[in-house]
Amino acid sequence: DSGVTQTPKHLITATGQRVTLRCSPRSGDLSVYWYQQSLDQGLQFLIQYYNGEERAKGNILERFSAQQFPDLHSELNLSSLELGDSALYFCASSVAGNNEQFFGPGTRLTVL
Amino acid sequence: AQKITQTQPGMFVQEKEAVTLDCTYDTSDPSYGLFWYKQPSSGEMIFLIYQGSYDQQNATEGRYSLNFQKARKSANLVISASQLGDSAMYFCAMRERVQGAQKLVFGQGTRLTINP
Repeated sequence: DSGVTQTPKHLITATGQRVTLRCSPRSGDLSVYWYQQSLDQGLQFLIQYYNGEERAKGNILERFSAQQFPDLHSELNLSSLELGDSALYFCASSVAGNNEQFFGPGTRLTVL
Repeated sequence: AQKITQTQPGMFVQEKEAVTLDCTYDTSDPSYGLFWYKQPSSGEMIFLIYQGSYDQQNATEGRYSLNFQKARKSANLVISASQLGDSAMYFCAMRERVQGAQKLVFGQGTRLTINP
C-alpha cells in the first residue's frame, strides 16, 4: 500500500458525459501528479500540482482539468468524454517535485 | 524522440534465475533521476528503485539492483533469484524538467513472466 488513495476504483460512463476522479496523497506529500495509461499511448503525464498550485502540464486535453485543494487532495475532471478517453488514470504523490513518486491504485475509466 | 527505450516487450525466465531488464534513456540535462516501477496484473504501480544522475554507486533495494552506465545512458534493472510473484510489467522512467517543474517520462514497459 503506497498510502495514496484514489476513488472510485472503476467508473463506467457514456460518451459526452463528465466525471471527477479523486486522489488523496500520502500524508506529508505536497506534490500530486496525474497520469493516463492507455494501450496505445502508454503512460502519459497529464499535470502536476504542488501545494495547491499548478506546476507543470503534460499531454492534458483542454476537456480535462484538475485542481488541488487546501487539504492537498486533488481532483481530475474529464468532460465531453470520448471513447478514446477510456484508460487507467493514476494519481501519484511526492514530498516535493524532486522526489520519488508513489502511485495510487488507479481509477479505471470505461467510456461506452 | 523517444526519451526512454525499453527494447524487450516480453521476457520469459525460469524461477530462481537472475533477470536483466534493459532501459536506455536520452537527455541533455545533467541532473536527472531514473526509476523502475512494477505493475502487476492488478494494475497498481509499485515503486522499486531510484538512481540519481550524480549517484556514484549503483542503487540496490533487496533483490533489485540498478546497473547504471552513465556514458552509455543505460539503467538496467537486475532482479536476482526471481520469484513467481515477480511476473508483471516493468516500467523504466526518467524524471525530467519541464517548465521549471519535474515530470516522469515512462518507457513502453517489459512484460516479465517467471516460469516455475
